[in-house]
Amino acid sequence: DGGITQSPKYLFRKEGQNVTLSCEQNLNHDAMYWYRQDPGQGLRLIYYSQIVNDFQKGDIAEGYSVSREKKESFPLTVTSAQKNPTAFYLCASSMGWQPQHFGDGTRLSIL
Amino acid sequence: DQQVKQNSPSLSVQEGRISILNCDYTNSMFDYFLWYKKYPAEGPTFLISISSIKDKNEDGRFTVFLNKSAKHLSLHIVPSQPGDSAVYFCAASKDTGNQFYFGTGTSLTVIP
Repeated sequence: DGGITQSPKYLFRKEGQNVTLSCEQNLNHDAMYWYRQDPGQGLRLIYYSQIVNDFQKGDIAEGYSVSREKKESFPLTVTSAQKNPTAFYLCASSMGWQPQHFGDGTRLSIL
Repeated sequence: DQQVKQNSPSLSVQEGRISILNCDYTNSMFDYFLWYKKYPAEGPTFLISISSIKDKNEDGRFTVFLNKSAKHLSLHIVPSQPGDSAVYFCAASKDTGNQFYFGTGTSLTVIP
C-alpha cells in the first residue's frame, strides 16, 4: 500500500537543539516537499526537491535544512537558528502535474 | 504576502444542503488549482482540481468553479453530509505544478 510516512507523530525539542523530521515515500514520486502549518495560517512551503541531490528553498527556508540523497527520503532538520519552530510539519510528494500526496504530519513542540 | 485567500474561516450547513467554499487569488499567472480536505491530526487529501482552460470540473458531489476574470474559485458540495466536516484548503500553482500556494483553510461543519 503506497504512501508517505512521517515520523515521529509528535516531537519535543529543547531550545538550542537541532532536530530531524523523517519523511519516506514509496510512491516512486520525483518531487518532495516540506510545509509548515501554524494556527490560522495556510500551508507554507519550506523546501522542495524535484530530483535526487537537488532542492530549492521555499518561502520560509530560514532555520531549516534538507537533504535528498535517495528518491524515497527527504528529511527536514529544524536547526537552533529557527526562532519559532513549534508548528505542524507536513511532507508531500508528487509526480509531474499530479496533485501532491501528503503524510499525516509531525507536531513539533519546544520544551 | 498571501497570494491565495480563503476569507471565511468557518462555515456551517445543514445535512443535505449545499456547501459553498470560496477562494480568491491575486496572481494572474496561476493556471492550476486544487482543493484539499483535511481532518484533525492528518495530512490533507486531494479532493478535486481544475486547470485554467476550464471553468468547471465535477466529481460526484463535488464541483469546482473557476472565474479567471474575478480570480475566484469555489467548491460546491451537494448534498452535504456529516462526513464532509473537515478543513478545506484551496491551492494554486503557476508552473509545472511543483510549487503550490495554499489558502488558510475553511472549516466546514455539516450539521445532521
